[in-house]
This record gives sequence, C-alpha cells and structure tokens, in this order.
Amino acid sequence: DAKTTQPNSMESNEEEPVHLPCNHSTISGTDYIHWYRQLPSQGPEYVIHGLTSNVNNRMASLAIAEDRKSSTLILHRATLRDAAVYYCILIEGRQGAQKLVFGQGTRLTINP
Amino acid sequence: NAGVMQNPRHLVRRRGQEARLRCSPMKGHSHVYWYRQLPEEGLKFMVYLQKENIIDESGMPKERFSAEFPKEGPSILRIQQVVRGDSAAYFCASSPGPWDTQYFGPGTRLTVL
Repeated sequence: DAKTTQPNSMESNEEEPVHLPCNHSTISGTDYIHWYRQLPSQGPEYVIHGLTSNVNNRMASLAIAEDRKSSTLILHRATLRDAAVYYCILIEGRQGAQKLVFGQGTRLTINP
Repeated sequence: NAGVMQNPRHLVRRRGQEARLRCSPMKGHSHVYWYRQLPEEGLKFMVYLQKENIIDESGMPKERFSAEFPKEGPSILRIQQVVRGDSAAYFCASSPGPWDTQYFGPGTRLTVL
C-alpha cells in the first residue's frame, strides 16, 4: 500500500502557480520523496525527488517540511500541458526492492 | 538518446491466446521494471529484473504471467491463456541502477476480446 496521502483532484488556471500537497507521516529516515506525473494516455514521467532539502529543476520545485512528514510540489507557472495525474511516492529503502508504489495521485486540471 | 521503447503499442488478443509484450530499456540501463494499470486504476508494480535475473516478482500473478530479461535483446512480459481481466495498459520502466530514477515507456495497451 502507498504510504502517501494526496488530494484526489485540484484545479488551477493557466500561468498561475500550483502547489500540490503530499502527506507521508510514516516516512523513514532513508526514504526519498519522488514525484512522477502521468499525462493522458502516456507512461509516467519523472518530475523531481528529494530527501531533506528543497529541490529545484527545470520542471518544478519540491518543498519538504522540516519534519519530512509532508512535502509540496510546486509548478511555478502552469500550462495546459501540465494537466496530468501527479503521484507522490516514497522509495522503499530495501536493497533489491526498489519498486515504485503508486497511490491514486492528484488529478490536476488546468483552466485556460 | 532513445527513450524506453515498448512494442507493440496496442495488442488485441482473444481469450485463451498468448500475449507477448516487449520492452527495450534506455541505452546503458540494465534494470527493468514492469507495471500494470487496469482501467480507471493506479499503476501496480509487477516485476523487477536485471539482465538474466528476476530480482523481485512480488507483484506478478502466480499463474499465466512470466517475465524475462535475457543477456541480449529486450525484456519480455508473457501472458499465457489471456482472460478479459488482463485487459490493461502495461508499462515498462528502466534505470541504470537499482536506486536511480526510473524512466517509463509509452506502454502497451492490451485488449482481450
């Protein structure tokens, strides 16, 4: 079972920032927080990951709470192409068992 | 740099036939993962393979399903005697190492008539 909790859906407007929350209250010290997204009729796409510090890349930013029990994926200026299901995933911390456990994710709708 | 390739993209089989799904990982990647997405559901892990070895098959159904990743050639997910409940999108991902980011292919959409 996924160890993360996300809202089922969110809606935003084009060119506005979007903050996608994720709760992971049972996270262990060595678990990395990964975000993937799945556009309609496509395979999942890696977005970003982090351990303790906030992270930035060309796609998004990841803000991690100090106690690591929650995190927020930030899309700075949403476009229509960002409409997708966003998954927050903790990487299992056992050697040889690096499988992604997907929850239901957050379905993000972007209004033009 | 070609991404993960899967073929066929769409596959139609009648009940009782066999389905073979192929996955060519990204260049330099020796770790392959298979996931299944049933209609209107999330993705579920099936199996994790390295070259010539199955590392974790905890998500594979006990019967009719098998996977391999030979020394040469693509990884194959094989479903024998397909049933309607096998209709789903099957995604393959690859990574250079066990702790690296997984990159997904476009999927194979299997329809069982």
